[in-house]
Amino acid sequence: QQPVQSPQAVILREGEDAVINCSSSKALYSVHWYRQKHGEAPVFLMILLKGGEQKGHEKISASFNEKKQQSSLYLTASQLSYSGTYFCGTEGPSKAAGNKLTFGGGTRVLVKP
Amino acid sequence: SAVISQKPSRDICQRGTSLTIQCQVDSQVTMMFWYRQQPGQSLTLIATANQGSEATYESGFVIDKFPISRPNLTFSTLTVSNMSPEDSSIYLCSGGQREYEQYFGPGTRLTVT
Repeated sequence: QQPVQSPQAVILREGEDAVINCSSSKALYSVHWYRQKHGEAPVFLMILLKGGEQKGHEKISASFNEKKQQSSLYLTASQLSYSGTYFCGTEGPSKAAGNKLTFGGGTRVLVKP
Repeated sequence: SAVISQKPSRDICQRGTSLTIQCQVDSQVTMMFWYRQQPGQSLTLIATANQGSEATYESGFVIDKFPISRPNLTFSTLTVSNMSPEDSSIYLCSGGQREYEQYFGPGTRLTVT
């Protein structure tokens, strides 16, 4: 089942912060976050694994609440380059899923000057 | 990281014909996947391309319609067979190592007339 992302869209001014949430109805092994700009491939941002391990860009932060099956991506001091559609991809309930991701519906982010 | 290329980047095809999309990775990857994405929508997993064996298809996708090959750890093809206008979409391949991030190709934009 597809994870649910919220909000569906957000408009920010440069320098403002935002939080994007991803919620699943099933147990998760990992959550992946990607950003996609119009007409381009999704770009990897962050992966959060069950047990607390995280891998990703230093300027992007995220959290993973295993018990609640939720993840949040934090956009801090947003820049114009942060504009795009953010997708969470979930894998689970165990690593036997083999990196097979189910993506959420996406959150459109627009950062204005 | 891995760099993924796809060919063709776009095509316009007639109903009833078939199109084969190629996906090339610049390094060996354990996992390769094929996704479909309608413009402005989320990514839907079609199948996992398994090296040297039959692909594993997700619900709603069948081998006769979307035959996939993966002869080695850096290359895969997806064929869209007997196309109809409903097959018009963007097709993306991705690759990565188990428990690590996936990298996406730029996509193939298919229009069926």
